[in-house]
Formats: sequence, C-alpha cells, structure tokens
Amino acid sequence: DGGITQSPKYLFRKEGQNVTLSCEQNLNHDAMYWYRQDPGQGLRLIYYSQIVNDFQKGDIAEGYSVSREKKESFPLTVTSAQKNPTAFYHCATGTGGYREQFFGPGTRLTVL
Amino acid sequence: RKEVEQDPGPFNVPEGATVAFNCTYSNSASQSFFWYRQDCRKEPKLLMSVYSSGNEDGRFTAQLNRASQYISLLIRDSKLSDSATYLCVVSWSGGTSYGKLTFGQGTILTVHP
Repeated sequence: DGGITQSPKYLFRKEGQNVTLSCEQNLNHDAMYWYRQDPGQGLRLIYYSQIVNDFQKGDIAEGYSVSREKKESFPLTVTSAQKNPTAFYHCATGTGGYREQFFGPGTRLTVL
Repeated sequence: RKEVEQDPGPFNVPEGATVAFNCTYSNSASQSFFWYRQDCRKEPKLLMSVYSSGNEDGRFTAQLNRASQYISLLIRDSKLSDSATYLCVVSWSGGTSYGKLTFGQGTILTVHP
C-alpha cells in the first residue's frame, strides 16, 4: 500500500520537552518536506531534504531539527527552543524541484 | 506584500452554482502553479496543476496569467462535496538551487443544499 505515513496523529507535550514526529514514505520520492500550519494560516516550510544525508532550512527552522539517514524517513524533532509549537505538522514528499508535492495525514501537536 | 494572496472568503454558494477563486503571486520568477484542496483537519491534496494555456479537469478549470501574475480556479455545477478550503500554491527557487512551494492562506468554500 503506497503512501506517506505520519505518527502519531495526536501528540501532547509538556513545556520544555523535545518530541519527535515520524514521517515515512514508500513512494520512492527523493524529496521530503516538513510544513507547519496554524489555524487560518497557510502552510510554512520548516525543513526540506532533496537527497539522503542532506537537508536545508526552510522559512521557520528555528527550534526544529531533522535528519535524513534513509530515503524513506524524515523525522522532525520539535525542541524546547521552539516557543510556540502547538500546530498541525504536515510531511510531504515529491520528486523535487518545482514539481507538485504529496502530503501525509499530519500530526497535531499540542503543548500543555 | 504576501508572496501568494487569496481572498479568504468564505464563499457560500448553493448546489449547482458556479464559483471562481482568484490568486495573485508576487514573484515573477515563479515556475509552477497548483491548486490544492484541504478538508477540515486533513492534509492538503493536489487538485490540479495550472498551465499557461489553461487546463480543465471535469468541472474544474484553472487559468494562469503570467503577465498579471494571476491564477484562477473555476468550479462549475458545485456539489456539496466541494466544500473545503482551496489553496493556491506557487513554486519558485526561493533563492536556493531547489524549488520550494509557497502556499496562500486558502479560500473557504461552503456549498449548501
């Protein structure tokens, strides 16, 4: 069954804790992306990776970290340095460049 | 000025109506253009790419005017299931060697019986 999976679907974090959001794909796409969406807002790019072992900061990378050790996986860590992490987090994949991207089901993170 | 601007709506239309959404983008170097659909608390899903010649997919028609930096989406014979947020998306280099997508904030459509 091809697609993009994100886990968990809902995540609750206490202030000061780091949490890691999972994103896995079996579409054989080279490029993977993380976006943040706040209520009533458009998606904003956090980090992206065009190939394994390489990733770039997006527009709002502060307080986040990523790794890309495997083509299929692109986990996002929300660190305690991120002051307002409550949001909906979307992982996307694509063939890269200017082409369309495809999104996983998302993770809703709430800081208690 | 925002990189991608959309009328947030909401648009409330009866079933069977025709509705049009507009979008403007600021970067003349933009390369690719898309419309995505997002249902409440769900992920965005690609609705259609937008080409300079205009393109149609069933009840949906997309137009691009590069000179005016303007994109449109026309939905004919609206269905209840068309109710969603429609996202205008533009791809450009972003100052990097790779393309990046920039999303508008979305236009909310509600189709009622």
